Amino acid sequence: DAGVTQSPTHLIKTRGQQVTLRCSPKSGHDTVSWYQQALGQGPQFIFQYYEEEERQRGNFPDRFSGHQFPNYSSELNVNALLLGDSALYLCASSRRTAKVSPLHFGNGTRLTVT
Amino acid sequence: KQEVTQIPAALSVPEGENLVLNCSFTDSAIYNLQWFRQDPGKGLTSLLLIQSSQREQTSGRLNASLDKSSGRSTLYIAASQPGDSATYLCAVSLRQETSGSRLTFGEGTQLTVNP
Repeated sequence: DAGVTQSPTHLIKTRGQQVTLRCSPKSGHDTVSWYQQALGQGPQFIFQYYEEEERQRGNFPDRFSGHQFPNYSSELNVNALLLGDSALYLCASSRRTAKVSPLHFGNGTRLTVT
Repeated sequence: KQEVTQIPAALSVPEGENLVLNCSFTDSAIYNLQWFRQDPGKGLTSLLLIQSSQREQTSGRLNASLDKSSGRSTLYIAASQPGDSATYLCAVSLRQETSGSRLTFGEGTQLTVNP
């Protein structure tokens, strides 16, 4: 049973460019959340998707956008990259209708903006 | 705004020692609290999840307690091993966000267990 998978594992971009990160949730999960983790910090919630719509959003600018596909996989897009966007981006999945559904995290995408 | 604090930021202990990691949160209206482990450069592994109605959860050598009224949780690790070396993160979700996937994290405790 595959867990949460993310691609790519590492990415280097230049300021001003755009990036797309991808996530496939754990089998049986329908909800995907994205987190940004700067070095030495705890993860920060970006947004959550289920039923192909953004349901909740953290304190991130509109440069951060996402999408969820009918197979529950998801993409995170970041436009006009800034140096401060350099971080580990984590995807987490869960089952929305489960009474107790711990988040399952992928290994993340390490984004470096130069 | 929910804030989560973890103390200490770093901890180094000899193998075999029992230890306690602390987590505090400012808003007691939580839905659940989770403890995660993170190895360097990796994602998070869920260790224990405590529902707001529960007082503690146990898994192997790990025991997590929750005191919602005081806004505190502790993670107890018995008979520590070098393989326990990692960063331990505490996270809470608020009652109004009942899907449980919007978590507020602390900054973590970096644990080193020396052979």
